Amino acid sequence: NAGVTQTPKFRILKIGQSMTLQCTQDMNHNYMYWYRQDPGMGLKLIYYSVGAGITDKGEVPNGYNVSRSTTEDFPLRLELAAPSQTSVYFCASSYYSLNEQFFGPGTRLTVL
Amino acid sequence: RKEVEQDPGPFNVPEGATVAFNCTYSNSASQSFFWYRQDCRKEPKLLMSVYSSGNEDGRFTAQLNRASQYISLLIRDSKLSDSATYLCVVPGDNFNKFYFGSGTKLNVKP
Repeated sequence: NAGVTQTPKFRILKIGQSMTLQCTQDMNHNYMYWYRQDPGMGLKLIYYSVGAGITDKGEVPNGYNVSRSTTEDFPLRLELAAPSQTSVYFCASSYYSLNEQFFGPGTRLTVL
Repeated sequence: RKEVEQDPGPFNVPEGATVAFNCTYSNSASQSFFWYRQDCRKEPKLLMSVYSSGNEDGRFTAQLNRASQYISLLIRDSKLSDSATYLCVVPGDNFNKFYFGSGTKLNVKP
C-alpha cells in the first residue's frame, strides 16, 4: 500500500494564481482531512470529509475549496493565492473519526 | 482559552534522562486524546492514543487528568532518536474536527 500520497511536493505560486493540491489514499478510509502548518506552529484543519460526497469546513477554510467525488481522492483547491497561504499542506486519512490519522508527506507551497 | 496548548520548549536533555511534557485542553467533554511525533520537515505520525486514564507503550507513558484538563507524555531512558517535536491532539465537539497543539520540541543530547 502506498498510504496517503500528495502531489506536488513543492510549488511556488504568484499572487492571484490558482492551483489544486492532490491527495489520494489507498486504505479505503472514510475520513480525509486537509491541514496547513505554518513555521513553528501546529496543524490547523482546513476542510474534512467523512465520506464521498460529504465535506465540511475546519478552522481555517477561507480561500480554499474541496471536493470528494470518490473515497480515494480529496483535492484541495486554492483560488486567488495570497502570501498568507504560504505554508506546508498535509493531507490525512483515517478509517473513522477517532482512529489514527495517516498523513501524506506534505506539499510545501510558497506564494510570492 | 485555546482548544489545546503546549509548552513549545525546546527541552534539551541528555541521553538516558526522563522527560515529561504537558498539554492542556479546553473542551471538558473530550474523551480521546492523541500524541503524534513529527520529525523535522516530515509528516506527523501517531505515537500514542489516550482513551481513558492513560496508556503505556515501552518507554512512553501518557496520562490524562480530567479534573485539571491536561494530558502528559513521559519518556523514560531518552534516546537520541527521540529527538523530534511532539504534538498533542484533541478532538473538537463533533469528534470530526481535531485541534493540534503547536508542539513541544525535544532535543536529546549525547
